[in-house]
Amino acid sequence: QLQLQESGPGLVKPSETLSLTCTVSGGSISSSSYYWGWIRQPPGKELEWVGTIYYGGTTYYNPSLKRRVTISVDTSKNQISLKLTSVTAADTAMYYCVRPQSTSGWVSFEYWGQGTAVSVSS
Amino acid sequence: QSALTQPPSASGSPGQSVTISCTGTNSDIGGYNYVSWYQQHPGKAPKLMIHGVNKRPSGVPDRFSGSKSGNTASLTVSGLQADDEADYYCSSYADNNVVVFGGGTSLTVL
Repeated sequence: QLQLQESGPGLVKPSETLSLTCTVSGGSISSSSYYWGWIRQPPGKELEWVGTIYYGGTTYYNPSLKRRVTISVDTSKNQISLKLTSVTAADTAMYYCVRPQSTSGWVSFEYWGQGTAVSVSS
Repeated sequence: QSALTQPPSASGSPGQSVTISCTGTNSDIGGYNYVSWYQQHPGKAPKLMIHGVNKRPSGVPDRFSGSKSGNTASLTVSGLQADDEADYYCSSYADNNVVVFGGGTSLTVL
């Protein structure tokens, strides 16, 4: 059974860089041409797609975050990482690691981690 | 403001059917057959209920169905059960390799 587990600091100061890691178990990041991604949800608000990466390196980012976000994979550790620079209070959210459903391109997210809460505050 | 428009709330009695709409544009829902629906219970991660407009992942009851007409997609929940009470979000692929979400609909089972 595929499992995704997010980890990272729960508190980040404004203007600093948010760094999160997603550890995948029950499957290999690089097998079967999978995509991986991040979705976030501010408290009490809707879901927001952050970005998606193909294990081979191709990335797609939310245009509103593109200048600040980097998603990468570490196949040796079976991990996906998210970096978001110059954070503000608007980046406070639950961040979910996701893997898309395999038959609808990379745009339907079937596997979700439990999420990690990040607060941006001084 | 969300890219896709959903009603903030919907409700129905046990056993009844309820339909939730999701309106976009020609650049997202209307242009592609990549509409998804997610169910989210409080404090939990979302769960994929529908993908590719009308396809159910393994394990999702056939009480959940999806459809699309023009720029509007719909999720219908038939035979409402207490556990269906949750937030529902639609999403769609959009031009230039983007995924957009709706604002969410809170479904109440009366």
